[in-house]
Amino acid sequence: KAGVTQTPRYLIKTRGQQVTLSCSPISGHRSVSWYQQTPGQGLQFLFEYFSETQRNKGNFPGRFSGRQFSNSRSEMNVSTLELGDSALYLCASSLGQVSSYEQYFGPGTRLTVT
Amino acid sequence: SQQGEEDPQALSIQEGENATMNCSYKTSINNLQWYRQNSGRGLVHLILIRSNEREKHSGRLRVTLDTSKKSSSLLITASRAADTASYFCATSNAGKSTFGDGTTLTVKP
Repeated sequence: KAGVTQTPRYLIKTRGQQVTLSCSPISGHRSVSWYQQTPGQGLQFLFEYFSETQRNKGNFPGRFSGRQFSNSRSEMNVSTLELGDSALYLCASSLGQVSSYEQYFGPGTRLTVT
Repeated sequence: SQQGEEDPQALSIQEGENATMNCSYKTSINNLQWYRQNSGRGLVHLILIRSNEREKHSGRLRVTLDTSKKSSSLLITASRAADTASYFCATSNAGKSTFGDGTTLTVKP
């Protein structure tokens, strides 16, 4: 089976712009979660989608949003980018909700905001 | 603050030795998972242990869970240079997964 894929792998944006990141889960997986990883804050949970519905959300401002499509692919959007949004954004897929299943991570999208 | 906290923050051992790292958490959990991250392969799932389990094995990995102490340990036996990586515990509760800050393991050949 193919693993979790994320596009793009690297992205450079300027403050105030918006960005959309994409994640394709492992075939058959219905849950997609997003995480932000930074040296200072570590790995922080953004949100989880299951069957096209957002099931859980972390403590991030409303500028961070996401959605999941009927084929389980997910996108994450960040509007009005700030310098502090520079991070590695990781997507993880699992068979079911994360409370019960292991997660498989993609390689991440490295976002740099200048 | 993070739900899971790993201890020690950094660990350096010789190839062939065992490595033990610990994870403590604060609230009740559904399960606890251990992951490894290195620059070459990204974040890789190692093992999942459910709240009603006390010990699990996978190859050279042994994980224990003590829910009364809200702690878990990961033992890597007969370590190899390829085990050099950061190791994270992640707790799942109420549908959310929370990662600790990680233990950086260096295995010297």
